[in-house]
Amino acid sequence: DTGVSQNPRHKITKRGQNVTFRCDPISEHNRLYWYRQTLGQGPEFLTYFQNEAQLEKSRLLSDRFSAERPKGSFSTLEIQRTEQGDSAMYLCASSLSRRSHEQYFGPGTRLTVT
Amino acid sequence: DQQVKQNSPSLSVQEGRISILNCDYTNSMFDYFLWYKKYPAEGPTFLISISSIKDKNEDGRFTVFLNKSAKHLSLHIVPSQPGDSAVYFCAASARETSGSRLTFGEGTQLTVNP
Repeated sequence: DTGVSQNPRHKITKRGQNVTFRCDPISEHNRLYWYRQTLGQGPEFLTYFQNEAQLEKSRLLSDRFSAERPKGSFSTLEIQRTEQGDSAMYLCASSLSRRSHEQYFGPGTRLTVT
Repeated sequence: DQQVKQNSPSLSVQEGRISILNCDYTNSMFDYFLWYKKYPAEGPTFLISISSIKDKNEDGRFTVFLNKSAKHLSLHIVPSQPGDSAVYFCAASARETSGSRLTFGEGTQLTVNP
């Protein structure tokens, strides 16, 4: 399977705990994006990388959120001190920079904070 | 503020008939528009796109129409098939002001009845 993969698919955590998600993009894609989707809404942009550089962050990305893409391949998204409002589907997407609008999404990680 | 809006949460059509999904936007800087399809437990899948310099783009059974003066786009699926049943998201991008971020609508659940 050469699509975008995300791990874990589901995560249940207690409020206040830290969680980390991983995204593996399509191998030749140099751009990687993180979105968040809540029930009844479309995905909302969080941040994106071109290679290892984080080029844009949404104001939705509070200081409890941090994303990395250390070698320009896979990426991690960490949420510290989770809150119930962080419960959502976290989607990763990748694209080529010359076709950046055509983003290919992974299956997502569903986070539930209890 | 909801810059991309899909006013119909659901649409039901008969197999073989035309499905028309609508989307309105408010940001005049948007210059690229996309439709994504999403099945349960999967990430959104890119379907078709259109640049603001065009008013129509066709790909097989799928056609997207753009009316810039009305800030409105629509997706036509003809003939509709039961396998088209999914949530459809409209998305937009403003290349100059926001790079590659996509702004999504809330989605429309399409059900195609056999």
